[in-house]
Amino acid sequence: EAGVVQSPRYKIIEKKQPVAFWCNPISGHNTLYWYLQNLGQGPELLIRYENEEAVDDSQLPKDRFSAERLKGVDSTLKIQPAELGDSAVYLCASSPRNTGELFFGEGSRLTVL
Amino acid sequence: SQQGEEDPQALSIQEGENATMNCSYKTSINNLQWYRQNSGRGLVHLILIRSNEREKHSGRLRVTLDTSKKSSSLLITASRAADTASYFCATDPQGGSEKLVFGKGTKLTVNP
Repeated sequence: EAGVVQSPRYKIIEKKQPVAFWCNPISGHNTLYWYLQNLGQGPELLIRYENEEAVDDSQLPKDRFSAERLKGVDSTLKIQPAELGDSAVYLCASSPRNTGELFFGEGSRLTVL
Repeated sequence: SQQGEEDPQALSIQEGENATMNCSYKTSINNLQWYRQNSGRGLVHLILIRSNEREKHSGRLRVTLDTSKKSSSLLITASRAADTASYFCATDPQGGSEKLVFGKGTKLTVNP
């Protein structure tokens, strides 16, 4: 069974440029999460989807961040414009309903210069 | 905000020794989970313990949960160099938010 797939793995951009990250969750997993992980810290939730509905986006900085999950499968996280402080790893995770366990992708490491 | 706090922040041991990591949290929980993260990789789920459980085993891993003290411990027995990683506890707070809250992690180094 394929795991959670994220791309790109690494991205270097200059500040004020846009960037987008893509996530393909494990087949059949209804719940999808985007987490932000700063260096030396644990992951912090940005947004959680149940199918195509964003059920928790309270931690998403909506002035520059946006996300979508079309057809309840793949998801895209966008930052526009990027700031220096956005340099971090963006992790996507999925879970089957009601199991509690999260399956993470390898992450997308963003560096903003 | 991060509910769980792991202790110690870093731990260095020799191969074959046991490693113990602790996690304290603030609010009542439905369950507590432990994850491992190798450098530059994603997190991997290790074990989940529910609030009505006190101890759980999985291979060389033993997790305990004390809800009265709001704390958990992860014990890795007979450690191997391959166990070198960061270990995170994550809590599922009661209240229906269904949002896992991760701690800052313990960085474990197992020296061969």
